[in-house]
Amino acid sequence: AQTVTQSQPEMSVQEAETVTLSCTYDTSENNYYLFWYKQPPSRQMILVIRQEAYKQQNATENRFSVNFQKAAKSFSLKISDSQLGDTAMYFCAFMNPPSNFGNEKLTFGTGTRLTIIP
Amino acid sequence: NAGVTQTPKFQVLKTGQSMTLQCAQDMNHNSMYWYRQDPGMGLRLIYYSASEGTTDKGEVPNGYNVSRLNKREFSLRLESAAPSQTSVYFCASSHFDRVVYGYTFGSGTRLTVV
Repeated sequence: AQTVTQSQPEMSVQEAETVTLSCTYDTSENNYYLFWYKQPPSRQMILVIRQEAYKQQNATENRFSVNFQKAAKSFSLKISDSQLGDTAMYFCAFMNPPSNFGNEKLTFGTGTRLTIIP
Repeated sequence: NAGVTQTPKFQVLKTGQSMTLQCAQDMNHNSMYWYRQDPGMGLRLIYYSASEGTTDKGEVPNGYNVSRLNKREFSLRLESAAPSQTSVYFCASSHFDRVVYGYTFGSGTRLTVV
């Protein structure tokens, strides 16, 4: 079974600074997908960014980017120019490639609580 | 708005009571899921339904049952609630291929068992 580890339960950073959240995972699969989800106090799960393991290029979405190291099984999230609205829980998640059976189960890490300080 | 709708949003149960959490999606997704979120544990999969008419156990299925009523609806039932089932429950649905990725979560149900 796959496991996802987030070793930073809590982090804080000054507004406008850059912060990096860590995630490692364990799998024997060669092809898979990785995600970062944001959960603000509203409880809603919001997709931040996704990465396909077969792609060498790191994914980027505006101020959010990842450092995907496949050999090291590491998938960190970098938030640049952090904003107060980035304050939330962040979850790293793993998914095996979907099959014809249509099952896309997610395995989550335990989360990192990020606080942006004004 | 298109999405996943969960009801109720909050519920308090006494130990031993039963209840059903309802979930419906209007995105024509084949697969649906129930997760629970506990402090310090992240989200864990309870049950899932890869397609209409099928259900399978996830990581933490004990104490729960599910029904995939039709393609839109996937309910989670607690037959005899226990304090250990105090949690936030999320329903989700998905459609995934190399072009389109859709994995949508409901807004969650906070359940307290006393």
